[in-house]
Amino acid sequence: KNEVEQSPQNLTAQEGEFITINCSYSVGISALHWLQQHPGGGIVSLFMLSSGKKKHGRLIATINIQEKHSSLHITASHPRDSAVYICADDFSGTYKYIFGTGTRLKVLA
Amino acid sequence: EPEVTQTPSHQVTQMGQEVILRCVPISNHLYFYWYRQILGQKVEFLVSFYNNEISEKSEIFDDQFSVERPDGSNFTLKIRSTKLEDSAMYFCASRPGQGSYGYTFGSGTRLTVV
Repeated sequence: KNEVEQSPQNLTAQEGEFITINCSYSVGISALHWLQQHPGGGIVSLFMLSSGKKKHGRLIATINIQEKHSSLHITASHPRDSAVYICADDFSGTYKYIFGTGTRLKVLA
Repeated sequence: EPEVTQTPSHQVTQMGQEVILRCVPISNHLYFYWYRQILGQKVEFLVSFYNNEISEKSEIFDDQFSVERPDGSNFTLKIRSTKLEDSAMYFCASRPGQGSYGYTFGSGTRLTVV
């Protein structure tokens, strides 16, 4: 059974801190997706990656296929980064995702 | 920036009633999806839709559910005879054709079955 696990489940950081959220998956992937869920519930797509590293502004996502592990990093965190971050495994290449439970991030000013 | 629009944002319905959740995907997108998230739980895949037919569906997507793209712009999820356990946030998503990214979620419809 394909499981997607995230850690930590909850994270509180001070503004400016470097943040790392981890995601492990048990079965192979076609691509791994990082999503951001705002307090109101809306979901925004952050990254989709199948190898290496991607960067967008202060966000960096990396993936290690051999270790079945991905990380999302936030540099110079800000209170507006407060959200739930979800990784999702597109194991079949058809967007039929297996979602992680999410990491709830709170950044304090 | 183009958006996926979902209506209504919140719907309350009596158990046993039929509901239709509506989505307007981004206009040049070809692939459409419905997901749901029960409060406090993971997001779950329901169904994918391409070329006017279902591409894949999960075990959750049983005969109670159906999807339709009735007019080339709307993409609807119908739930017949709603149950209490259908209460959840339902998200629509769409993306362009193969080789392009642009995968975009709607803001969701919160369905409450009472």
